[in-house]
Amino acid sequence: EAAVTQSPRSKVAVTGGKVTLSCHQTNNHDYMYWYRQDTGHGLRLIHYSYVADSTEKGDIPDGYKASRPSQENFSLILELASLSQTAVYFCASSDDRGDTQYFGPGTRLLVL
Amino acid sequence: GEKVEQHESTLSVREGDSAVINCTYTDTASSYFPWYKQEAGKGLHFVIDIRSNVDRKQSQRLIVLLDKKAKRFSLHITATQPEDSAIYFCAAHSGGSNYKLTFGKGTLLTVTP
Repeated sequence: EAAVTQSPRSKVAVTGGKVTLSCHQTNNHDYMYWYRQDTGHGLRLIHYSYVADSTEKGDIPDGYKASRPSQENFSLILELASLSQTAVYFCASSDDRGDTQYFGPGTRLLVL
Repeated sequence: GEKVEQHESTLSVREGDSAVINCTYTDTASSYFPWYKQEAGKGLHFVIDIRSNVDRKQSQRLIVLLDKKAKRFSLHITATQPEDSAIYFCAAHSGGSNYKLTFGKGTLLTVTP
């Protein structure tokens, strides 16, 4: 089965601070995704990427940047963290856009 | 864009009974429908999927049905066990050049012994 890892697994950040969430996959997948999960909202797509050095906006990109320096690595960056960005963040990868997505274990972010 | 509605937010069944979770979608172009299971404090784990070229798929105790006319798909878990307790998410993918899955909001399934 696909292996997607995330770090850190949890983080406490201060409002206005910079936060970087990292994702690493060992499946040789081209597509990678960042989602956030909030109670009552399910999963919402923030950014995605289908090739190294390129990222695309998802449904809720405001306040987030993404970076894909290599096929294996995909980062989510919060330049100025805000209270509303408290959530659980999931990274996923897939071989193609219509294929099964494999998820990492998530990062629980608390912004104070 | 695509919208996926997951009809049951919570579902409680007795061990050994069947559980059914229903989802509807809006985009007639959607062609791929995966289901994910999320146990407490963990990530989403793929459990089963169905594509629009079939209307039924089974994997052990899991059955997925797809009704394209009604734009409805459902997950049936037979002979439920306590370890089936989790949040289940349905999703839909529109195919073509579309890049993303649209998720339902999840169903919390509780299986009581």
